[in-house]
Amino acid sequence: DIQMTQSPSLLSASVGDRVTITCRASQSISKFLSWYQQKPGKAPKFLIYAASTLQSGVPSRFSGSGSGTDFTLTISSLQPDDFATYYCQQSSTSAWTFGQGTKVQIK
Amino acid sequence: EVQLLESGGGLVQPGGSLRLSCAASGFTFTTYGMRWVRQAPGKGLEWVSAISNDAGTTYYADSVKGRFTVSRDNSKNTLYLQMNSLRAEDTAIYYCARSGVTTVASIFYYYMDVWGKGTTVTVSS
Repeated sequence: DIQMTQSPSLLSASVGDRVTITCRASQSISKFLSWYQQKPGKAPKFLIYAASTLQSGVPSRFSGSGSGTDFTLTISSLQPDDFATYYCQQSSTSAWTFGQGTKVQIK
Repeated sequence: EVQLLESGGGLVQPGGSLRLSCAASGFTFTTYGMRWVRQAPGKGLEWVSAISNDAGTTYYADSVKGRFTVSRDNSKNTLYLQMNSLRAEDTAIYYCARSGVTTVASIFYYYMDVWGKGTTVTVSS
């Protein structure tokens, strides 16, 4: 199976900060990468597909980039509603896999 | 409103069985593949299983292969996960999710765009 590794695992930031989360695949996955946001006690929320395309309704402060093995999720100006855990997920093979998650907490 | 609602979770002894259900509404169920994802207490997300829209193709994570069976009843707009030989490490919240797809330059990109609220499975004696 393809392994997905996110960094950092924990990120402390303040409202208004620019935040970047990195996701690395153990082999090339082209652009078959999605991002999800999860808040405590809630189901994940779909944010981005094809590495960089925002799902309808997702604020434009979120952006994704990358292809091959290295990807990033950027929040241009962190808002109070953005404190959550973020997961990348590959769909290059039939066995989809997630990164271990990055928790974005208040500094 | 597009909605997924899981049910069937509970407490089961190691070695036991459980069947989860996921009722879909608000969209044409027969045109979407579906997936199960789980989350152990305090842990990250783990993809468990997938099934195509016509039930013709199924996939499983290695951790559940041979023990779990995914199925669907398109006449009832319902997805199922039959879980046998349950182990303590199967303890988790189980989510069902819709497998959306978008075509970009003739390439199909799949993702999980709609999620249920989850049902909790606890395997313990």
